Amino acid sequence: QVQLMESGGGVVQPGKSLRLSCAASGFAFSSYAFHWVRQAPGKGLEWVAVVSYDGTNDFYADSVKGRFTISRDNSENTVYLQMNSLRPEDTAVYYCARPYCVRDCYSHTYDIWGQGTLVTVSA
Amino acid sequence: SSELTQDPPVSVALGQTVRITCQGDSLRNFYATWYQHKPGQAPKLVMYDRNDRPSGIPDRFSGSTSRSTASLTITGAQAEDEGDYYCNSRDRSGQRVLFGGGTKVTV
Repeated sequence: QVQLMESGGGVVQPGKSLRLSCAASGFAFSSYAFHWVRQAPGKGLEWVAVVSYDGTNDFYADSVKGRFTISRDNSENTVYLQMNSLRPEDTAVYYCARPYCVRDCYSHTYDIWGQGTLVTVSA
Repeated sequence: SSELTQDPPVSVALGQTVRITCQGDSLRNFYATWYQHKPGQAPKLVMYDRNDRPSGIPDRFSGSTSRSTASLTITGAQAEDEGDYYCNSRDRSGQRVLFGGGTKVTV
């Protein structure tokens, strides 16, 4: 069964760090790029970051650049999002998403999504 | 600009047709993709590229693009089509992804 499962969310104080994980199963993990997308309470979807299929390239939204780092471990079929210097405005459900095409195809079309993990940044 | 603009909330009667749009300069270079999102669930892909539907999405969903505007049409809306619909595409550099603000569809 093709699936993504996020974990690592929780309540954290402003300025602290948190690392999210996205475990993949049921498909050739190392052939796909992966994206993180978030949704703040009552707000719309916001793209956060992408890592290439081989981990050599990554890009970030301006709102998180310099604070968040996306990475992957192809031996563990897992994508990570290291979040540092967290702010209250980072409070959101964080989704991991897989594009529909493989390797050097850079796509914003996500055919597989995880169920999300909630991050709450509050004192 | 690096933005995608979507319609305000819309209401459609059961069995009727609704068309929602997504506007942005980036759509001149990159196709819009459409997602349906219901509370407590993961977003679901409903339309991509010019007018392609993933397997399992009914053919009452159709898409089109003209210049800087992409449209998603539901012909014969059903109760299960109710939800928030988001478009996405890419920014001018092609490296970053943009999402529209979403349109709530009520059936």
